[in-house]
Amino acid sequence: DIQMTQSPSLLSASVGDRVTLSCKASQNIYKYLNWYQQKLGEAPKLLIYYTNSLQTGIPSRFSGSGSGTDYTLTISSLQPEDVATYFCQQYNSWWTFGGGTKLELK
Amino acid sequence: EIQLQESGPGLVKPSQSLSLTCSVTGYTITSGYDWSWIRKFPGNKMEWMGYISYSGSTNYNPSLKSRISITRDTSKNQFFLQLNSVTTEDTATYYCASSKLGGFDYWGQGVMVTVSS
Repeated sequence: DIQMTQSPSLLSASVGDRVTLSCKASQNIYKYLNWYQQKLGEAPKLLIYYTNSLQTGIPSRFSGSGSGTDYTLTISSLQPEDVATYFCQQYNSWWTFGGGTKLELK
Repeated sequence: EIQLQESGPGLVKPSQSLSLTCSVTGYTITSGYDWSWIRKFPGNKMEWMGYISYSGSTNYNPSLKSRISITRDTSKNQFFLQLNSVTTEDTATYYCASSKLGGFDYWGQGVMVTVSS
């Protein structure tokens, strides 16, 4: 199994901040990495696929980067509606998810 | 737009079977996509359980392979999850989702299932 580790588990930031979330795989996943946003009481929403491709309808303040085992989701200017838990997910070998980063407003 | 909706009992007794239905609207499940079940445990850990493809083939998470079965009814545009011999560790919110090219792009709202006597 490929293990996915996200950090931090909890992040507090202010509106307008640049926010960076990290995801580390236990082995090379060759950029087969997606990011999801889950708001309280809602289903997860696919934000970014294949490391850096923005899903249709997702605001351009979201971006992804990375390679090998290390990946990042960046929100360029945090908005109140971005409060959520963010999950990474690899699909190089089956599908496994990270434990999530909960993003809250400071 | 593709919409998915889970249904099934919210409470299952230990050692029994958990059975859930995913009803799909806006797309015919035999036209494309893989149709998965994913669960989220208390504490946020998420686990992909398995899928049935548009052609009817199945793939399961090896950790569940002896207990899981995913089937479908194409006449009703539904697919199903059966998980046998459940324990309290199977308590989770269960989601159905569609996937293409590795990403889960449409999800149901989820159904919370508690395993308890």
